Amino acid sequence: AQKVTQAQTEISVVEKEDVTLDCVYETRDTTYYLFWYKQPPSGELVFLIRRNSFDEQNEISGRYSWNFQKSTSSFNFTITASQVVDSAVYFCALSRSEKLVFGKGTKLTVNP
Amino acid sequence: SQTIHQWPATLVQPVGSPLSLECTVEGTSNPNLYWYRQAAGRGLQLLFYSVGIGQISSEVPQNLSASRPQDRQFILSSKKLLLSDSGFYLCAWSPLVEAWGQFFGPGTRLTVL
Repeated sequence: AQKVTQAQTEISVVEKEDVTLDCVYETRDTTYYLFWYKQPPSGELVFLIRRNSFDEQNEISGRYSWNFQKSTSSFNFTITASQVVDSAVYFCALSRSEKLVFGKGTKLTVNP
Repeated sequence: SQTIHQWPATLVQPVGSPLSLECTVEGTSNPNLYWYRQAAGRGLQLLFYSVGIGQISSEVPQNLSASRPQDRQFILSSKKLLLSDSGFYLCAWSPLVEAWGQFFGPGTRLTVL
């Protein structure tokens, strides 16, 4: 069965610190997709990234970077030089046919 | 570009009253549509999804139902609300092409008193 584990329930950092959000997944599929979403206090889930199982290249988008390692079934998300606006709940998700399996989320608080 | 709308944004309803939440998508055809519920401080629970008009799959048997009367319209309903129906309801759409991800609406915050 597919499963996504985000072991960190809450993380609190001070502005400008780097922070990594962990995501570990389980699947028997050979082709699959992984996602990260951000849910700010307003509530709407914002799509951040999609990664397929054949592409293990790390991705960088501004202060955001993602590290995908099939060997450890992990898809971790790092925010460099965090800002107060990064405070949100972050969800990792795994594709399952037309559905997504979500982790329980990690609440990130960035303090000024 | 595609846009997803949900209304109302917030709703306070008494126990036992009916419910109708609406979700519409613009700028795409034949989307997959989803309803999720998020209880306070909790994760996302998939309630229903639809791959076409009139096609509804229920993930969790409960006090709610869903309908898709038009290609880009998805409705979540209840005949009699329970206290446990309180939560944040999110609608999402995805392209028919598998695993492009889901894109979410702004959500409806429902409080049942």
